[in-house]
Amino acid sequence: DTAVSQTPKYLVTQMGNDKSIKCEQNLGHDTMYWYKQDSKKFLKIMFSYNNKELIINETVPNRFSPKSPDKAHLNLHINSLELGDSAVYFCASSQVIGRGGTEAFFGQGTRLTVV
Amino acid sequence: AQKVTQAQTEISVVEKEDVTLDCVYETRDTTYYLFWYKQPPSGELVFLIRRNSFDEQNEISGRYSWNFQKSTSSFNFTITASQVVDSAVYFCALLSGGSNYKLTFGKGTLLTVNP
Repeated sequence: DTAVSQTPKYLVTQMGNDKSIKCEQNLGHDTMYWYKQDSKKFLKIMFSYNNKELIINETVPNRFSPKSPDKAHLNLHINSLELGDSAVYFCASSQVIGRGGTEAFFGQGTRLTVV
Repeated sequence: AQKVTQAQTEISVVEKEDVTLDCVYETRDTTYYLFWYKQPPSGELVFLIRRNSFDEQNEISGRYSWNFQKSTSSFNFTITASQVVDSAVYFCALLSGGSNYKLTFGKGTLLTVNP
């Protein structure tokens, strides 16, 4: 069973469209993240949720809206897509310090291409 | 604030050479965790190791070894007798008590092992 799964793996869309990426983890973790990896491979945190509560929003444009219906799911909706949104988006989950292993496990990534 | 610096952007070696990837971190917290991740050309992020701030014991796992030194705020990763399959981008990351929900990554080191 895949520990962290995100769909779709590839997403090609036109500027101005709205799209969503789904993420689910079956590890029982309390914390989930969205990371953006740019063309230079730099991994930058976008959002962090703990038990469905938004903890970190790293100055991400409000066109990006995460939603966590329960602690096993963290979806990412993007409105009015722009060319600069093209990147690989990774979902991840982990436990917080003091709750056991803190390593984050990542989904396979979603390569978003805006044309 | 926390920061991870991987000064080596790219390293190229010939198979069977030993190679060390450097990682220097900054944090004001006394409780923190350090990680290494591997991102092969296929794109997934693979967890390699976790080290907590209270445990400076070095670790060896097969051809991989890690040297954690709090005095120099470094957590270096050595691959012995490198193989072509080791070619990947390697990321060092930090999770600290003051930023419990923010896993901060270095910019990564691209390792190319040539046959």
